[in-house]
Amino acid sequence: ETGVTQTPRHLVMGMTNKKSLKCEQHLGHNAMYWYKQSAKKPLELMFVYNFKEQTENNSVPSRFSPECPNSSHLFLHLHTLQPEDSALYLCASSQEGFMNTEAFFGQGTRLTVV
Amino acid sequence: TQLLEQSPQFLSIQEGENLTVYCNSSSVFSSLQWYRQEPGEGPVLLVTVVTGGEVKKLKRLTFQFGDARKDSSLHITAAQPGDTGLYLCASRLAYSGAGSYQLTFGKGTKLSVIP
Repeated sequence: ETGVTQTPRHLVMGMTNKKSLKCEQHLGHNAMYWYKQSAKKPLELMFVYNFKEQTENNSVPSRFSPECPNSSHLFLHLHTLQPEDSALYLCASSQEGFMNTEAFFGQGTRLTVV
Repeated sequence: TQLLEQSPQFLSIQEGENLTVYCNSSSVFSSLQWYRQEPGEGPVLLVTVVTGGEVKKLKRLTFQFGDARKDSSLHITAAQPGDTGLYLCASRLAYSGAGSYQLTFGKGTKLSVIP
């Protein structure tokens, strides 16, 4: 497999559930990201991992918990979400250290919280 | 935080027509990237512009970076249904830390090309 792969593609969960989103990159990149894409807002950066260390947490509620066990895998653990958290969650990777480096995105997980 | 304003927000045109979409900021861009996102997919990079006044062409797509590096445009000639998608501009902001840059996106222009 090549590129950035996200699973699952679709997820419906209740507000009391616990679920996890998975992202895997086969590009040898050193940075991985979680973005949230809602209907009426621009792509919002949630978390950044650079060399497996979290370097950015953009005021994301604690009900979202990221995990980066190695440079190829990234998880987003979800717990007691709200309906307004329904959105497309996109994972991306890049080779950081270069100003104009390209971000490679997965296909996203369409999350619906009921 | 540098805000990227994109216009128009929505655009619906007939196949064969030309169109231009815009990306503006009150701040100077260090560089700018354009991405296209098709339904059900993640964004894919189209081009990176770096130098003020730069013009890049990608088949029927022409990208221009403003002289002052505060605006950019994307012009599509003879649009085709395959051009349908969300066009996003993005800029990298340097932040303190390990020499990394945060990629910030505009809201995008949603383009529909009707056959």
